[in-house]
Amino acid sequence: GNSVTQMEGPVTLSEEAFLTINCTYTATGYPSLFWYVQYPGEGLQLLLKATKADDKGSNKGFEATYRKETTSFHLEKGSVQVSDSAVYFCALKISGYQGAQKLVFGQGTRLTINP
Amino acid sequence: NAGVTQTPKFQVLKTGQSMTLQCAQDMNHEYMSWYRQDPGMGLRLIHYSVGAGITDQGEVPNGYNVSRSTTEDFPLRLLSAAPSQTSVYFCASSYEGDGYTFGSGTRLTVV
Repeated sequence: GNSVTQMEGPVTLSEEAFLTINCTYTATGYPSLFWYVQYPGEGLQLLLKATKADDKGSNKGFEATYRKETTSFHLEKGSVQVSDSAVYFCALKISGYQGAQKLVFGQGTRLTINP
Repeated sequence: NAGVTQTPKFQVLKTGQSMTLQCAQDMNHEYMSWYRQDPGMGLRLIHYSVGAGITDQGEVPNGYNVSRSTTEDFPLRLLSAAPSQTSVYFCASSYEGDGYTFGSGTRLTVV
């Protein structure tokens, strides 16, 4: 089946630290991969995406590379800020009934950045 | 502002009551979906739609009904609420299948 496994949280870092949140997936075919971010009390926002192997998605200093050989899409940022505190979700997109594009999510990783 | 609008933001129901969670989008998106979010479980797909008049079940459809009479609206109905349906519900929409836009959520408590 299709599934996403994320690094267990919560993760607590100091400001300006390097961040890695691991994400691995199992899928049939060649899914697109996404990272979403959820700030407290809000819905999910698309952070970045990659649609094929070796693609690198990037946004707001965050990066993730689609690694087909290791079925991974790890999220990284070189220097985190307090404002990056949020819950991060890794997801893959699969095709369903009549071509519908469905998202399968990991369980989420809560990130807290201390000043 | 363009986007996905969900109402209500908060709701408390008694076991056995029914209600409808509303979702509307003004982006002319084909695809709309309902997810529930529970602690430690990420988001799970309840139902989805690929256009007006076309819906299908997701991962956890039991206890929920949907219909899609217009492109803009995709309401989620709880037929007989149960405590296990206590959750945060998110509606999302997409046009080409990429870049889903999520609503701000409905926090539902069933007592």
